[in-house]
Amino acid sequence: DAGVIQSPRHEVTEMGQEVTLRCKPISGHNSLFWYRQTMMRGLELLIYFNNNVPIDDSGMPEDRFSAKMPNASFSTLKIQPSEPRDSAVYFCASSPRQHARRNSGNTIYFGEGSWLTVV
Amino acid sequence: KNEVEQSPQNLTAQEGEFITINCSYSVGISALHWLQQHPGGGIVSLFMLSSGKKKHGRLIATINIQEKHSSLHITASHPRDSAVYICAVRKGGADGLTFGKGTHLIIQP
Repeated sequence: DAGVIQSPRHEVTEMGQEVTLRCKPISGHNSLFWYRQTMMRGLELLIYFNNNVPIDDSGMPEDRFSAKMPNASFSTLKIQPSEPRDSAVYFCASSPRQHARRNSGNTIYFGEGSWLTVV
Repeated sequence: KNEVEQSPQNLTAQEGEFITINCSYSVGISALHWLQQHPGGGIVSLFMLSSGKKKHGRLIATINIQEKHSSLHITASHPRDSAVYICAVRKGGADGLTFGKGTHLIIQP
């Protein structure tokens, strides 16, 4: 398997422009996560989906951010309008759904990240 | 106070030294991950623990659920182990991870 695939790897955009980040999870994985990494705040969960359904979006910073998962093999994270403070590395990750009986979760696989700079 | 605290923040050691990185958390968890992030940014999950101890090559991870503490050990450290090591927990009932700030490890030849 190719792993979690993210695009673009790098994007530089002007303030006010719309940014769309894309993610293809590992085939067969039921859970998909969007994380953001900044120098100040480290890694933070933005939103995650189980079986294409958004479960927890409490980490999405504000209404300018939206995420969709129209099918099991594709997700987008959109920022509109973008601002300089959105500059960060955005990681997509996927994992198999945690095993209900063990309730210990499963390991997680990260994409290479999308490096966003808003000027 | 952060829910996941790591120490030390930065660690420089000589090749061959035994390395220990610590992680303490203040919430109930269903699992704890140790992640490795190399320059260039890619993140790899090294271990996922819910109890006890796991070993993979020169890496050992332990967790004490009662004390809410985990350690990552590297034996016979090598310059290629230089990376940021991040502790992350899966809070009980949730699927997303909550992260520590990371430990920046440099192994000098």
